[in-house]
Amino acid sequence: EAAVTQSPRNKVAVTGGKVTLSCNQTNNHNNMYWYRQDTGHGLRLIHYSYGAGSTEKGDIPDGYKASRPSQENFSLILELATPSQTSVYFCASGDRLGGSQDTQYFGPGTRLLVL
Amino acid sequence: GDSVTQKEGLVTLTEGLPVMLNCTYQTIYSNAFLFWYVHYLNESPRLLLKSSTDNKRTEHQGFHATLHKSSSSFHLQKSSAQLSDSALYYCALANTGYQNFYFGKGTSLTVIP
Repeated sequence: EAAVTQSPRNKVAVTGGKVTLSCNQTNNHNNMYWYRQDTGHGLRLIHYSYGAGSTEKGDIPDGYKASRPSQENFSLILELATPSQTSVYFCASGDRLGGSQDTQYFGPGTRLLVL
Repeated sequence: GDSVTQKEGLVTLTEGLPVMLNCTYQTIYSNAFLFWYVHYLNESPRLLLKSSTDNKRTEHQGFHATLHKSSSSFHLQKSSAQLSDSALYYCALANTGYQNFYFGKGTSLTVIP
């Protein structure tokens, strides 16, 4: 079973502060994704990556940066956090579509509250 | 651009009745992959079903869905709802062009006794 871990699991931040959410996968998947989940909006893609060193913008990238320093790690960075970024954030990993591992494997989520 | 529509935001069913959750999608690509993910409370979303083959029924854990490219639909069905089916269900679309996923807004299914 694919394993994706996220840290921290819960975070309280102040408006204007910097927040870094971390994600680690041990399955050697090429693709990694960051989503936020909000009631009424479902899962929305923020950033994704095809491999180490690559990051791509998803549907709602404004206010977020991403970093993929290695195959295993993918971070989401909020340079200046705002209350509108209060949400549950999910990281996922998966492999190339059509392959046996094209399923997305999700982490446990991070609850972020920006005051 | 690509998109997924799940018309029902909330569905409440009595145990034993059939389940049908609607999913339609838009894409300019012919090689669409459609997925259903299930998200139980306090767990991570996980794959329930997937398909990229037109008119082929796919089944898992009592649920089934058939991708119909002619109508751009991938509805999720189950013959008899169980209390344990209560969860948030997401339909998702991906294509080999971009390798990213588009999720619908989700349908929250509640099964009552």
